[in-house]
Amino acid sequence: EDQVTQSPEALRLQEGESSSLNCSYTVSGLRGLFWYRQDPGKGPEFLFTLYSAGEEKEKERLKATLTKKESFLHITAPKPEDSATYLCAVQTNTGANSKLTFGKGITLSVRP
Amino acid sequence: GAGVSQSPSNKVTEKGKDVELRCDPISGHTALYWYRQSLGQGLEFLIYFQGNSAPDKSGLPSDRFSAERTGGSVSTLTIQRTQQEDSAVYLCASSGGTGTYSGANVLTFGAGSRLTVL
Repeated sequence: EDQVTQSPEALRLQEGESSSLNCSYTVSGLRGLFWYRQDPGKGPEFLFTLYSAGEEKEKERLKATLTKKESFLHITAPKPEDSATYLCAVQTNTGANSKLTFGKGITLSVRP
Repeated sequence: GAGVSQSPSNKVTEKGKDVELRCDPISGHTALYWYRQSLGQGLEFLIYFQGNSAPDKSGLPSDRFSAERTGGSVSTLTIQRTQQEDSAVYLCASSGGTGTYSGANVLTFGAGSRLTVL
C-alpha cells in the first residue's frame, strides 16, 4: 500500500527564516510526486511535479527536490503570505488509475 | 469552464437525510476524482472516473456513498442516510489524463463542498 508521511505537522517561522518541509514516501512504482498548497477554505493549488530522483524545481521562494525515498520543499526567506498548508502526494504506476495518495499536510505559519 | 466548480459550497443537513454534491470539471478533462478531507486529516480518495466509467471505487467508505458521471462531464456524489461521521469537506478534481502512462497527471481541484451533519 502506498504511504506518504509529512513532517513536521506544523511549522512556525519568522519572516526571512528559511526552512524545509519533508515528505517521505513508500510506493511500488513512482510515476510522480506532487506538492500542493492549500489555503483555508480553498481547494489545493498545484505547485510542482517531480518525476525522478535528483530532479529539482523552483518557483519564487520555493524549491522542491526528490530522492528515492523522500522529497523536500525548501522555503527561502519566507513571507507571511507563504502561510498555508503544504500537501505532498504520490502518483504510482498502477495501470490506468492515476489517483494521488496524499500525506496529511504541513501547516506553515510565517510571522512578520 | 475555467476551473472546477462545486456546489453547494456549504450544506447543513440532519442525520438520516440524503445529500447530493455536484462537480463540474474543467471542460475537456476526461478524468474526475472525488476526495474527502476531514478536520486534521489528509485528503482521502473516494472514487475515480475515466469518462463515464469508474475504474476505481475502492475509497467509498460504505454502500451509502455512490457517484455517477454523465456525458463525460458533470459528476454527482450522493450520500444516503447521512451520519455525523460523514461531516467533512468533499473535494472534486479533474485531470486531462487519458489513463494511460503518459507522465504524471496534474489534478486541478475545486474549492470543495463543506458538509455538516447535525
